Amino acid sequence: EAGVTQFPSHSVIEKGQTVTLRCDPISGHDNLYWYRRVMGKEIKFLLHFVKESKQDESGMPNNRFLAERTGGTYSTLKVQPAELEDSGVYFCASSLGTSRTQYFGPGTRLLVL
Amino acid sequence: GENVEQHPSTLSVQEGDSAVIKCTYSDSASNYFPWYKQELGKGPQLIIDIRSNVGEKKDQRIAVTLNKTAKHFSLHITETQPEDSAVYFCAASKPSTGKLIFGQGTTLQVKP
Repeated sequence: EAGVTQFPSHSVIEKGQTVTLRCDPISGHDNLYWYRRVMGKEIKFLLHFVKESKQDESGMPNNRFLAERTGGTYSTLKVQPAELEDSGVYFCASSLGTSRTQYFGPGTRLLVL
Repeated sequence: GENVEQHPSTLSVQEGDSAVIKCTYSDSASNYFPWYKQELGKGPQLIIDIRSNVGEKKDQRIAVTLNKTAKHFSLHITETQPEDSAVYFCAASKPSTGKLIFGQGTTLQVKP
């Protein structure tokens, strides 16, 4: 069974540009989470989808970030326009039903120059 | 707000020695405490977790202890091996939420 996959693995963009990150959760997992690790600090929660609905978006830093999960399968996280402080590793995780176990993807390493 | 403090930030041990990583959480409502291991270039992988109704859990060379009164939990790795070298994260979450609050991470180096 395939794990959580993320695309791209790396992205280098200039300040002011737009970047879209994609996450494919484990098949059948209704919960999908986005996290971010900036500059070697802790991994911080961004938001949580249950199927296609946003359950908790309390960690989204500002309105330059837009997450979607149309159809309740894969999710995208768009950053527009990107700022220098958005650099970091963006992780996606998924879980099934009421299980507390979250499975993480390999992450997307974003560098904004 | 909710936060988790993790210590030490780096830990170097000789192969065969034990390693201990400690975390403290702020929200007394937290009831689920997973530990993740992240190897270079990979995402965090769950290695063990504990719920607040249990004080200790063990899985082969890995054990986790929880002190709810002090809001502390710790990861113990015995008979360390070079392949245990990685970054370890503790986390906490409350009931009815999937949101994990992570510690800052501990870089463990096991010297052969």
